[in-house]
Amino acid sequence: QVQLQESGPGLVKPSGTLSLTCAVSGGSINSSDWWTWVRQPPGKGLEWIGQIYHSGDTHYNPSLKSRVAMSVDKSKNQFSLNLNSVAAADTAVYFCARHEGLYCSDGTCYGWLDPWGQGALVTVSS
Amino acid sequence: QSVLTQPPSASGTPGQRVTISCSGSSSNIGGNTVNWYQQLPRTAPKLLIYSNHQRPSGVPDRFSGSKSGTSASLAISGLQSEDEADYYCAAWDDSLNGVVFGGGTKLTVL
Repeated sequence: QVQLQESGPGLVKPSGTLSLTCAVSGGSINSSDWWTWVRQPPGKGLEWIGQIYHSGDTHYNPSLKSRVAMSVDKSKNQFSLNLNSVAAADTAVYFCARHEGLYCSDGTCYGWLDPWGQGALVTVSS
Repeated sequence: QSVLTQPPSASGTPGQRVTISCSGSSSNIGGNTVNWYQQLPRTAPKLLIYSNHQRPSGVPDRFSGSKSGTSASLAISGLQSEDEADYYCAAWDDSLNGVVFGGGTKLTVL
């Protein structure tokens, strides 16, 4: 079964760039699924950051779009998140997840996030 | 401010039935399927219900989901202490062209 594992620096300076990688095991990143990033500030709810397909196609949250970039490394079966110009408000646990079954038919879109990685806490502080 | 609206808290005693609501609009719940996630303390979210009412393998049938119009509900029957967690609804949003979440409901088992 597919498993995901986030990795990256746990501390980033303000105005710097947050970079995380999600390693996919037990399955191929070349599947028909989308690969997603979600974050959760301490004590708060979930926020969708965006997602990427193995072709490189992306969907980003409009609220973060100007600062976000995602990429796929097929040779390593992993995908990455870059968030630039970070501030304290970007401090959060960052989760990667597989968006399984995403398709739209007759005006209805389907799909769900499963599985999720364990999460990586990234703190923005000087 | 979350796109989908959930009550911040819910509670029940062991054995009771509890429901959690999730309200949206025509661009998300009204037109697309709803998923529910359970987040136990200090863990990653886990898929609980998908496509409005489907249960992944391993999820007890005490958990059930439904959808009507622009609202959805999660019901938990035979409440157990291990059900104490945060619950999130989510759906694809056609306007955002992405996933939207509810603000989460903290379930307390008294």
